[in-house]
Amino acid sequence: ETGVTQTPRHLVMGMTNKKSLKCEQHLGHNAMYWYKQSAKKPLELMFVYNFKEQTENNSVPSRFSPECPNSSHLFLHLHTLQPEDSALYLCASSQDRGALADNEQFFGPGTRLTVL
Amino acid sequence: DQQVKQNSPSLSVQEGRISILNCDYTNSMFDYFLWYKKYPAEGPTFLISISSIKDKNEDGRFTVFLNKSAKHLSLHIVPSQPGDSAVYFCAASAAYGNKLVFGAGTILRVKS
Repeated sequence: ETGVTQTPRHLVMGMTNKKSLKCEQHLGHNAMYWYKQSAKKPLELMFVYNFKEQTENNSVPSRFSPECPNSSHLFLHLHTLQPEDSALYLCASSQDRGALADNEQFFGPGTRLTVL
Repeated sequence: DQQVKQNSPSLSVQEGRISILNCDYTNSMFDYFLWYKKYPAEGPTFLISISSIKDKNEDGRFTVFLNKSAKHLSLHIVPSQPGDSAVYFCAASAAYGNKLVFGAGTILRVKS
């Protein structure tokens, strides 16, 4: 595997379910990100981890719980979601959180989540 | 309120002609701008960027122009090719940290 991978690619869940999204980067990067893209809306930054430490939580509801066990893996644990949480969830990584000119973000293909 | 706006949801261009995608921003603290390209079922991929100290950056068929006074940037693709058909996202960042603010995207269709 190369780049940034995400599993599953598609997920349908009920509002009472608990599920997890997984992201893995094979680039040796130290910063990882979760983004949400709702239909016809901009990508919204949710969480940022740098060297396994959470450095940003963009006012995300607690029904989304991130976990970063090491610099290569990032999870997004989901519980009691609402239908409006249906969206494409994208993971990205970069070398670290330094200046953007040297820190391109590489994105995974995303998980298409549908909450019934 | 969106800080980065792409007012054209879609654009259709004939193969070989120029494609111009536009982006406006409101935050005067933004000093680094990027364009990402996204194909269906794939994540966005970095295309080209520009720092606020420049007004133009060119990479092959792709050129980004920045007009700081108008808080406007544009991406020119010439000549356009069918493989350029994708969603194009404009993104911006302020000086500190690595936080990107994205526009909603423009769907480009290049007809052969």
